[in-house]
Amino acid sequence: AQSVTQLDSHVSVSEGTPVLLRCNYSSSYSPSLFWYVQHPNKGLQLLLKYTSAATLVKGINGFEAEFKKSETSFHLTKPSAHMSDAAEYFCVVSPYNFNKFYFGSGTKLNVKP
Amino acid sequence: KAGVTQTPRYLIKTRGQQVTLSCSPISGHRSVSWYQQTPGQGLQFLFEYFSETQRNKGNFPGRFSGRQFSNSRSEMNVSTLELGDSALYLCASSLAGVSVDEQFFGPGTRLTVL
Repeated sequence: AQSVTQLDSHVSVSEGTPVLLRCNYSSSYSPSLFWYVQHPNKGLQLLLKYTSAATLVKGINGFEAEFKKSETSFHLTKPSAHMSDAAEYFCVVSPYNFNKFYFGSGTKLNVKP
Repeated sequence: KAGVTQTPRYLIKTRGQQVTLSCSPISGHRSVSWYQQTPGQGLQFLFEYFSETQRNKGNFPGRFSGRQFSNSRSEMNVSTLELGDSALYLCASSLAGVSVDEQFFGPGTRLTVL
Protein backbone atom coordinates (compact mmCIF):
# COMPACT_ATOMS: atom_id res chain seq x y z
CA ALA A 1 0.00 0.00 0.00
CA GLN A 2 1.09 3.54 -0.70
CA SER A 3 0.62 6.51 1.59
CA VAL A 4 2.19 9.77 2.64
CA THR A 5 2.09 11.34 6.10
CA GLN A 6 3.05 14.92 6.68
CA LEU A 7 3.65 15.05 10.37
CA ASP A 8 2.82 18.72 10.94
CA SER A 9 -0.21 20.51 9.56
CA HIS A 10 1.24 23.91 10.53
CA VAL A 11 4.82 25.07 11.08
CA SER A 12 5.77 28.55 12.20
CA VAL A 13 9.33 29.90 12.02
CA SER A 14 10.98 33.28 12.25
CA GLU A 15 12.59 34.81 9.19
CA GLY A 16 16.22 33.77 8.96
CA THR A 17 15.80 30.56 11.00
CA PRO A 18 15.89 27.01 9.62
CA VAL A 19 12.85 25.28 8.18
CA LEU A 20 12.03 21.58 8.66
CA LEU A 21 8.91 20.06 7.13
CA ARG A 22 8.52 16.38 7.86
CA CYS A 23 7.25 13.68 5.53
CA ASN A 24 7.04 9.93 5.99
CA TYR A 25 5.94 7.58 3.26
CA SER A 26 4.86 4.03 2.78
CA SER A 27 5.44 2.36 -0.56
CA SER A 28 5.46 -1.23 -1.72
CA TYR A 29 7.84 -0.35 -4.52
CA SER A 30 10.87 1.90 -4.85
CA PRO A 31 9.26 5.29 -4.94
CA SER A 32 9.80 8.61 -6.57
CA LEU A 33 9.26 11.40 -4.06
CA PHE A 34 8.40 15.01 -4.65
CA TRP A 35 7.85 18.21 -2.74
CA TYR A 36 5.48 20.79 -4.19
CA VAL A 37 4.69 24.28 -2.92
CA GLN A 38 1.41 26.12 -3.29
CA HIS A 39 1.19 29.84 -2.69
CA PRO A 40 -2.25 31.30 -1.96
CA ASN A 41 -4.57 31.13 -4.93
CA LYS A 42 -1.88 29.63 -7.10
CA GLY A 43 -1.24 26.22 -8.64
CA LEU A 44 1.35 23.82 -7.31
CA GLN A 45 5.00 24.23 -8.21
CA LEU A 46 7.65 21.53 -8.00
CA LEU A 47 10.35 22.26 -5.44
CA LEU A 48 12.40 19.10 -5.88
CA LYS A 49 12.18 15.40 -6.66
CA TYR A 50 13.95 12.17 -5.79
CA THR A 51 14.04 9.40 -8.37
CA SER A 52 16.58 6.88 -7.01
CA ALA A 53 19.72 8.86 -7.75
CA ALA A 54 21.47 10.91 -5.03
CA THR A 55 19.70 10.68 -1.70
CA LEU A 56 20.24 14.37 -0.95
CA VAL A 57 18.23 16.37 -3.41
CA LYS A 58 18.58 20.09 -3.95
CA GLY A 59 15.66 22.08 -5.20
CA ILE A 60 14.70 25.61 -6.01
CA ASN A 61 14.83 28.57 -3.64
CA GLY A 62 17.42 26.95 -1.36
CA PHE A 63 15.29 23.96 -0.34
CA GLU A 64 16.66 20.46 -0.10
CA ALA A 65 15.43 17.07 1.04
CA GLU A 66 17.08 13.84 2.06
CA PHE A 67 15.71 10.42 1.17
CA LYS A 68 16.20 8.03 4.08
CA LYS A 69 15.04 4.58 3.14
CA SER A 70 15.64 3.09 6.60
CA GLU A 71 13.40 5.73 8.15
CA THR A 72 11.00 5.95 5.16
CA SER A 73 11.33 9.70 5.39
CA PHE A 74 11.79 12.56 2.95
CA HIS A 75 11.98 15.69 5.09
CA LEU A 76 12.25 19.12 3.48
CA THR A 77 14.73 21.64 4.88
CA LYS A 78 15.98 25.13 4.25
CA PRO A 79 18.77 26.78 6.24
CA SER A 80 17.20 30.22 6.44
CA ALA A 81 13.53 31.03 5.97
CA HIS A 82 12.39 33.98 3.91
CA MET A 83 9.04 35.72 4.12
CA SER A 84 8.28 34.58 0.57
CA ASP A 85 8.49 30.94 1.72
CA ALA A 86 5.14 31.27 3.48
CA ALA A 87 2.94 28.80 1.62
CA GLU A 88 1.54 25.29 1.81
CA TYR A 89 3.89 22.41 1.07
CA PHE A 90 2.91 18.97 -0.18
CA CYS A 91 4.91 15.77 -0.07
CA VAL A 92 4.08 13.34 -2.87
CA VAL A 93 5.02 9.71 -3.46
CA SER A 94 4.77 7.73 -6.67
CA PRO A 95 5.68 4.04 -6.59
CA TYR A 96 8.17 2.92 -9.21
CA ASN A 97 6.59 2.14 -12.55
CA PHE A 98 3.20 3.25 -11.37
CA ASN A 99 1.49 6.26 -12.80
CA LYS A 100 -0.25 7.29 -9.62
CA PHE A 101 0.74 10.09 -7.32
CA TYR A 102 -0.19 10.10 -3.65
CA PHE A 103 -0.34 13.49 -1.94
CA GLY A 104 0.19 14.22 1.72
CA SER A 105 -2.29 16.40 3.57
CA GLY A 106 -0.02 19.45 3.36
CA THR A 107 1.94 21.58 5.80
CA LYS A 108 1.27 25.28 6.04
CA LEU A 109 4.43 27.23 6.67
CA ASN A 110 4.15 30.57 8.40
CA VAL A 111 7.19 32.85 8.46
CA LYS A 112 7.24 35.56 11.10
CA PRO A 113 9.19 38.77 10.62
CA LYS B 1 6.79 27.00 -23.53
CA ALA B 2 3.29 27.83 -22.36
CA GLY B 3 2.24 26.30 -19.06
CA VAL B 4 -0.88 24.35 -18.21
CA THR B 5 -3.96 26.46 -18.73
CA GLN B 6 -7.36 25.93 -17.20
CA THR B 7 -10.61 27.57 -18.12
CA PRO B 8 -12.62 29.07 -16.69
CA ARG B 9 -10.73 30.28 -13.62
CA TYR B 10 -13.86 30.89 -11.60
CA LEU B 11 -17.31 29.43 -11.85
CA ILE B 12 -20.50 29.80 -9.85
CA LYS B 13 -23.26 27.26 -10.29
CA THR B 14 -26.36 26.17 -8.41
CA ARG B 15 -27.20 22.74 -7.06
CA GLY B 16 -28.41 20.31 -9.69
CA GLN B 17 -26.63 21.99 -12.57
CA GLN B 18 -23.75 20.49 -14.45
CA VAL B 19 -20.38 21.99 -15.26
CA THR B 20 -17.52 21.37 -17.68
CA LEU B 21 -13.97 22.41 -16.92
CA SER B 22 -11.21 22.51 -19.47
CA CYS B 23 -7.48 21.88 -19.26
CA SER B 24 -4.83 22.43 -21.92
CA PRO B 25 -1.58 20.63 -21.07
CA ILE B 26 1.93 21.67 -21.91
CA SER B 27 2.74 20.94 -25.53
CA GLY B 28 4.06 17.39 -25.87
CA HIS B 29 2.57 16.16 -22.61
CA ARG B 30 0.28 13.19 -23.05
CA SER B 31 -0.83 12.59 -19.48
CA VAL B 32 -3.41 14.79 -17.80
CA SER B 33 -4.56 14.33 -14.23
CA TRP B 34 -7.36 16.04 -12.34
CA TYR B 35 -7.47 16.78 -8.63
CA GLN B 36 -10.03 18.25 -6.28
CA GLN B 37 -8.73 20.46 -3.49
CA THR B 38 -10.84 21.43 -0.48
CA PRO B 39 -9.87 22.73 2.97
CA GLY B 40 -11.33 19.68 4.67
CA GLN B 41 -10.18 16.86 2.38
CA GLY B 42 -6.99 18.32 0.94
CA LEU B 43 -5.88 17.22 -2.52
CA GLN B 44 -7.77 14.26 -3.87
CA PHE B 45 -7.05 12.49 -7.13
CA LEU B 46 -9.98 12.34 -9.54
CA PHE B 47 -8.64 10.63 -12.66
CA GLU B 48 -5.81 10.50 -15.14
CA TYR B 49 -5.93 10.34 -18.90
CA PHE B 50 -3.22 9.19 -21.28
CA SER B 51 -3.61 9.09 -25.04
CA GLU B 52 -7.38 9.64 -24.80
CA THR B 53 -7.85 6.74 -22.36
CA GLN B 54 -8.69 6.93 -18.70
CA ARG B 55 -5.82 5.11 -17.09
CA ASN B 56 -6.48 5.74 -13.40
CA LYS B 57 -9.46 6.74 -11.36
CA GLY B 58 -9.89 7.95 -7.81
CA ASN B 59 -12.77 7.33 -5.44
CA PHE B 60 -15.31 9.79 -6.72
CA PRO B 61 -18.92 9.11 -7.72
CA GLY B 62 -19.92 8.64 -11.31
CA ARG B 63 -21.15 12.24 -11.44
CA PHE B 64 -17.51 13.11 -12.06
CA SER B 65 -16.33 12.21 -15.51
CA GLY B 66 -13.72 13.30 -17.96
CA ARG B 67 -12.29 12.84 -21.37
CA GLN B 68 -9.18 13.60 -23.33
CA PHE B 69 -8.96 14.65 -26.92
CA SER B 70 -6.41 13.70 -29.55
CA ASN B 71 -4.47 16.92 -28.91
CA SER B 72 -4.22 15.92 -25.21
CA ARG B 73 -6.58 18.64 -24.06
CA SER B 74 -8.87 17.36 -21.37
CA GLU B 75 -12.27 18.20 -20.01
CA MET B 76 -13.85 17.30 -16.72
CA ASN B 77 -17.59 17.21 -16.23
CA VAL B 78 -19.56 17.21 -13.01
CA SER B 79 -23.27 16.52 -13.26
CA THR B 80 -26.00 17.15 -10.71
CA LEU B 81 -23.85 19.50 -8.68
CA GLU B 82 -23.93 19.31 -4.89
CA LEU B 83 -22.84 21.93 -2.36
CA GLY B 84 -19.92 19.69 -1.43
CA ASP B 85 -18.52 19.93 -4.94
CA SER B 86 -17.38 23.47 -4.21
CA ALA B 87 -13.62 23.24 -4.52
CA LEU B 88 -10.52 24.20 -6.43
CA TYR B 89 -10.10 21.81 -9.34
CA LEU B 90 -6.53 21.39 -10.44
CA CYS B 91 -5.27 19.91 -13.64
CA ALA B 92 -1.73 18.60 -14.03
CA SER B 93 0.11 17.44 -17.11
CA SER B 94 3.22 15.35 -17.54
CA LEU B 95 5.08 13.73 -20.39
CA ALA B 96 3.88 10.21 -19.79
CA GLY B 97 2.53 10.16 -16.26
CA VAL B 98 5.11 7.64 -15.03
CA SER B 99 6.48 7.78 -11.52
CA VAL B 100 9.60 9.77 -12.39
CA ASP B 101 7.74 12.46 -14.30
CA GLU B 102 7.24 15.89 -12.86
CA GLN B 103 3.65 17.01 -12.95
CA PHE B 104 3.03 20.58 -14.03
CA PHE B 105 -0.04 22.12 -12.47
CA GLY B 106 -2.41 24.70 -13.83
CA PRO B 107 -3.75 27.56 -11.70
CA GLY B 108 -7.00 25.75 -11.11
CA THR B 109 -10.69 26.42 -11.57
CA ARG B 110 -12.49 27.55 -8.44
CA LEU B 111 -16.01 26.17 -8.49
CA THR B 112 -18.62 27.51 -6.11
CA VAL B 113 -21.93 25.67 -5.86
CA LEU B 114 -24.79 27.65 -4.31
